[in-house]
Parts: sequence; C-alpha cells; structure tokens
Amino acid sequence: SQQGEEDPQALSIQEGENATMNCSYKTSINNLQWYRQNSGRGLVHLILIRSNEREKHSGRLRVTLDTSKKSSSLLITASRAADTASYFCATADTNAGKSTFGDGTTLTVKP
Amino acid sequence: DAMVIQNPRYQVTQFGKPVTLSCSQTLNHNVMYWYQQKSSQAPKLLFHYYDKDFNNEADTPDNFQSRRPNTSFCFLDIRSPGLGDAAMYLCATSTGDQETQYFGPGTRLLVL
Repeated sequence: SQQGEEDPQALSIQEGENATMNCSYKTSINNLQWYRQNSGRGLVHLILIRSNEREKHSGRLRVTLDTSKKSSSLLITASRAADTASYFCATADTNAGKSTFGDGTTLTVKP
Repeated sequence: DAMVIQNPRYQVTQFGKPVTLSCSQTLNHNVMYWYQQKSSQAPKLLFHYYDKDFNNEADTPDNFQSRRPNTSFCFLDIRSPGLGDAAMYLCATSTGDQETQYFGPGTRLLVL
C-alpha cells in the first residue's frame, strides 16, 4: 500500500476560494514533497518540506508538516481555474532509499 | 533548457511484441526513475538507478527491464507487453534518492 494517503480524493471549488488537501503517512520521514499533475502530463514539483520544518510558502502555496501527527497539508489560496489538476504528496521514509507517492487529490476549480 | 525528455510521447504496440521506451536528461542528475501510472492512480515506482546501481522494486514484474548506458539515458524495456501494461510511463530524475524529482512528460503506451 502507498505510504501517503491523501484526503479528500476529490475537491471541487469556485475560483477565488482556497483549497486545502491533506496527506497522512505512517512512518518516520526525512522529507515530504508535493507535486501537481495536469491531465495526461508529467508531475511538477511544488514544495519539499523537511522533517525539521513546520511550514513553507511558495507564492499562493502554503505547506505545513506535523510530524507528531504524521500529516501534512497543502493550501492553495485564491484558486484559479488553471490550478485544476491532481495533487500528490510523496514521503521520503527514513528507512527507504526512495520516496513513495500517495493516491492524490483531484482538484477542480470552476471559473 | 535543462529537462527530462521522453520519447515517444505515444506508443502503440501489439500484445506480446517487445517495446522500448526512452528517457534522457540534461540535468546531470545521479538518480533516474521509471514509474507506471494507470488512470486516476498514483505513480508506481518500477525501478530506479543511483548512478549505475540498479534498484528493482519487489513487485515489479520480470517482464519489465531497464538499462542505463550512461548518465543521460535510461531505457524501459517491456519484453512481452500484455493488455494490463497499458499505462502512462513516467521517467524522473533527482540529485539524490529522496530529493525533488523532475519528471518528463511521460509516454502513453497502448497495447492492442
């Protein structure tokens, strides 16, 4: 099974609203990464947050990490139709030489 | 521009006919990955190379093989494609095996 589990599986909002996606995981991690995938395309890296960090920002994106709860959230503020995509978290397990992707959240932003 | 390139973007093959997908990178990254992604699912890691060291995932079928002749190129060979192998195949690179991954656009494989 995947290390990361994302919630919700699907999210539909109006343009201008904020979108929040969550990722939960089971083991100790070195870092957690968020990626975006537009339909039929490759994944694009958004943010990497290390286990000793609690929050990171990039433009309209805000990522938090709570290692005590083994969870992370991705907040997209003031969403746009172009934000419509699938969003995946990937966790870098401290005992594995790789990162493992969660099942993703499909975000639809209606104009 | 530095990037990860996958060729072809679309590949049609016949059931049982060997097919090779290619990936090249200009990032000079140590690590190269191959993922299989089926519709509405997470990317599934098939294998990865750290330099020349090959790491196969335990549940990757024997039907899937890989070659990395040099830093820049990595190939995915599917020896006898079945209908269940129809998927998007994604190549990615990174500087380390738990660092940010840079993905190519993917090759969509159709098996007839």
